[in-house]
Amino acid sequence: EPEVTQTPSHQVTQMGQEVILRCVPISNHLYFYWYRQILGQKVEFLVSFYNNEISEKSEIFDDQFSVERPDGSNFTLKIRSTKLEDSAMYFCASTEGHSGANVLTFGAGSRLTVL
Amino acid sequence: SQQGEEDPQALSIQEGENATMNCSYKTSINNLQWYRQNSGRGLVHLILIRSNEREKHSGRLRVTLDTSKKSSSLLITASRAADTASYFCATDYNTDKLIFGTGTRLQVFP
Repeated sequence: EPEVTQTPSHQVTQMGQEVILRCVPISNHLYFYWYRQILGQKVEFLVSFYNNEISEKSEIFDDQFSVERPDGSNFTLKIRSTKLEDSAMYFCASTEGHSGANVLTFGAGSRLTVL
Repeated sequence: SQQGEEDPQALSIQEGENATMNCSYKTSINNLQWYRQNSGRGLVHLILIRSNEREKHSGRLRVTLDTSKKSSSLLITASRAADTASYFCATDYNTDKLIFGTGTRLQVFP
């Protein structure tokens, strides 16, 4: 069964460092998402991406965050200068169509620890 | 915040018992979905119910939707220890994203 893959599974970084989290969505999917979850609590929407541009973003997704689909298969989330409060699980998800009517397929997540 | 609320926050039951989780949301929706998350893992889709549907079944899962009360419930019948997980409802609020509820942590004891 097709799956969304994320790398790395765990990254430890120092505050102020740049981090890139990578995702390979399912190949025929068109909509891509990043969510985060702090300490196993609520799952928070960060950003949606369609047709090579951001379609929607949350208040969390400030200027320190960016997303890119550099080569038609990878979908990356970059945090320019990490803060302690960026420590969380980051989940990538993809779907064939609009998420309201379609099922999201999630990756296993990347755990980010900022020291 | 558009985030929905789920109750209970945590639920502990014995194997074989039924588990009921509730979700309330804030404004109009096209669809509501339920997802499951095993500890430290990604979310897995369970079931989608459209706003014009009132009830849907999938195996041991039964989902109801009451748009007049802006609420949904997930019933797991004859629970098993393997059902231990967190369960989240998610709604689209007529936008291009899913907003997840706060989740219910279900513990099923053998």
